[in-house]
Amino acid sequence: EAGVAQSPRYKIIEKRQSVAFWCNPISGHATLYWYQQILGQGPKLLIQFQNNGVVDDSQLPKDRFSAERLKGVDSTLKIQPAKLEDSAVYLCASSLVSGGLSGELFFGEGSRLTVL
Amino acid sequence: AQSVTQPDIHITVSEGASLELRCNYSYGATPYLFWYVQSPGQGLQLLLKYFSGDTLVQGIKGFEAEFKRSQSSFNLRKPSVHWSDAAEYFCAVEGGKLIFGQGTELSVKP
Repeated sequence: EAGVAQSPRYKIIEKRQSVAFWCNPISGHATLYWYQQILGQGPKLLIQFQNNGVVDDSQLPKDRFSAERLKGVDSTLKIQPAKLEDSAVYLCASSLVSGGLSGELFFGEGSRLTVL
Repeated sequence: AQSVTQPDIHITVSEGASLELRCNYSYGATPYLFWYVQSPGQGLQLLLKYFSGDTLVQGIKGFEAEFKRSQSSFNLRKPSVHWSDAAEYFCAVEGGKLIFGQGTELSVKP
């Protein structure tokens, strides 16, 4: 079974530039998550989709971050304009159902962003 | 609000020695609790989870964890550590969404 795919794995940009990350979840998984993991910290949920609807985006900085999940499958996370503090690993995860009902989120390997 | 605290940022153990990683949570109701492991450059992998029932749960790779409601703890243990266990370990609590602790980095000495 293919896992969660993310690209690019690494990205270096200047501040105020834009960047986009792509995620393809495990086939059949209804729920998709984007997490931000800053060095030395645990992952922080940015946004959660159930199919193509947003369940939780309370911690998404909406002035610069946007995310979409077209057709309830792939998802894209965009940052525009980037700030230095956005340097982090962006993790995508998927699960069969929402939250703790299934108990397991499957994570991709992450996209490491460096903002100079 | 729910939260997770992992008091130890970094732990070093000798190969073959026992391991215990601490996790304390704050949550109003009965929590769903998880331990994830993250190897360098990799995503997170679920080690084990607790929903209800037996407070001692077994996971993959020989890990186990014990839920203690009175202490609001969910500590991870392994009787004999292998060099391949060196990684970052995250405790998490689920109450609508998954909240992670800050992680404990495990180093293993030969």
